[in-house]
Amino acid sequence: AQSVTQLGSHVSVSEGALVLLRCNYSSSVPPYLFWYVQYPNQGLQLLLKYTSAATLVKGINGFEAEFKKSETSFHLTKPSAHMSDAAEYFCAVIYRDDKIIFGKGTRLHILP
Amino acid sequence: DAGVIQSPRHEVTEMGQEVTLRCKPISGHNSLFWYRQTMMRGLELLIYFNNNVPIDDSGMPEDRFSAKMPNASFSTLKIQPSEPRDSAVYFCASRSGAQGTGELFFGEGSRLTVL
Repeated sequence: AQSVTQLGSHVSVSEGALVLLRCNYSSSVPPYLFWYVQYPNQGLQLLLKYTSAATLVKGINGFEAEFKKSETSFHLTKPSAHMSDAAEYFCAVIYRDDKIIFGKGTRLHILP
Repeated sequence: DAGVIQSPRHEVTEMGQEVTLRCKPISGHNSLFWYRQTMMRGLELLIYFNNNVPIDDSGMPEDRFSAKMPNASFSTLKIQPSEPRDSAVYFCASRSGAQGTGELFFGEGSRLTVL
């Protein structure tokens, strides 16, 4: 069955530290991948997307993600966390049947 | 562009009442999605339309839920009768572009509380 797994429903990092949010997908066919961010009481906003061009994708707010086919992963990183990065982050995958599947989300907490 | 517009932003109703949520997608987008978000179940796809036609409604929880898209600029999600377990945030999203590559644009959601 097609699925998206985000490891860790909550992640805490100190301000200025590296942010790493993990996403793994199940697929035998390279999919299209997305990271979204949701701030409190708002809808989801696109951070970045992978559509089979460069494997390292840069997004907004200093985030980037690397597509690794051998590991079926699309982890999200940011070198230095900022307080404003506190939010919930969702990984999403589109398969060839056009079905979009979201992970369960990871809430990022930034410690002062 | 105004983005995806949803109404109402908040709705509080009593069990048994009919609830209608509304969505206006981004102009020119040809796919529209309804999601439900709860703490327990996360983000669930309820139904999606392509060119106003329902493509996949397998996520609709039960017959109490129905969705329509009478034209390219408007969709409704109706719950009748509503139950407390329907309390959630309901998101509408739209998409354009080539199939499989276009990202979703989300509205700000409708927070439903059923007492």
